[in-house]
Amino acid sequence: KNEVEQSPQNLTAQEGEFITINCSYSVGISALHWLQQHPGGGIVSLFMLSSGKKKHGRLIATINIQEKHSSLHITASHPRDSAVYICAVVSSGSARQLTFGSGTQLTVLP
Amino acid sequence: EPEVTQTPSHQVTQMGQEVILRCVPISNHLYFYWYRQILGQKVEFLVSFYNNEISEKSEIFDDQFSVERPDGSNFTLKIRSTKLEDSAMYFCASAVAGAQETQYFGPGTRLLVL
Repeated sequence: KNEVEQSPQNLTAQEGEFITINCSYSVGISALHWLQQHPGGGIVSLFMLSSGKKKHGRLIATINIQEKHSSLHITASHPRDSAVYICAVVSSGSARQLTFGSGTQLTVLP
Repeated sequence: EPEVTQTPSHQVTQMGQEVILRCVPISNHLYFYWYRQILGQKVEFLVSFYNNEISEKSEIFDDQFSVERPDGSNFTLKIRSTKLEDSAMYFCASAVAGAQETQYFGPGTRLLVL
């Protein structure tokens, strides 16, 4: 069973700051998701990574498969980035179900 | 853009009652999933469904739970006799066969058991 750990649990930043959220997992995986969950509860996929780095606007996600570690970076953070960010790893089973981390609550203050 | 839909958005029920949560996956998707998130906890996998049968399930998915694809569009989760601890947000997700890693989530159903 894969254990997924995220840090920090809570993060408060000033608008414009560079933010990093970390995720580590215990068992080798085929892919990892970074997801965003808003206060209403809905989940949106930001990235799926199996190696290297992906960038989308101000969001950058990296993964190091050998070290079983991924990071999500937000450049020039904005109050609208405030949300819970969740790391989830793809299982090796045929259904590729996701195992989730506990999430990082990000609050960006104006 | 196609999306996964779920109904109802909220449901309140009495302990011991049966509830059915409904999902309409994206139309060309063949893998379907239910996840749940108890308030303040992490999202947990319940079950996956492919080719009209359960393909994987977690230890949470006991005999009180069942899933069904009653027609070509709906995917349902039934809880036979709800318990207080079933109160949670339930998310449906779907994926294309061969690309199950990319799952699309519905908006969730918030279930409250009193």
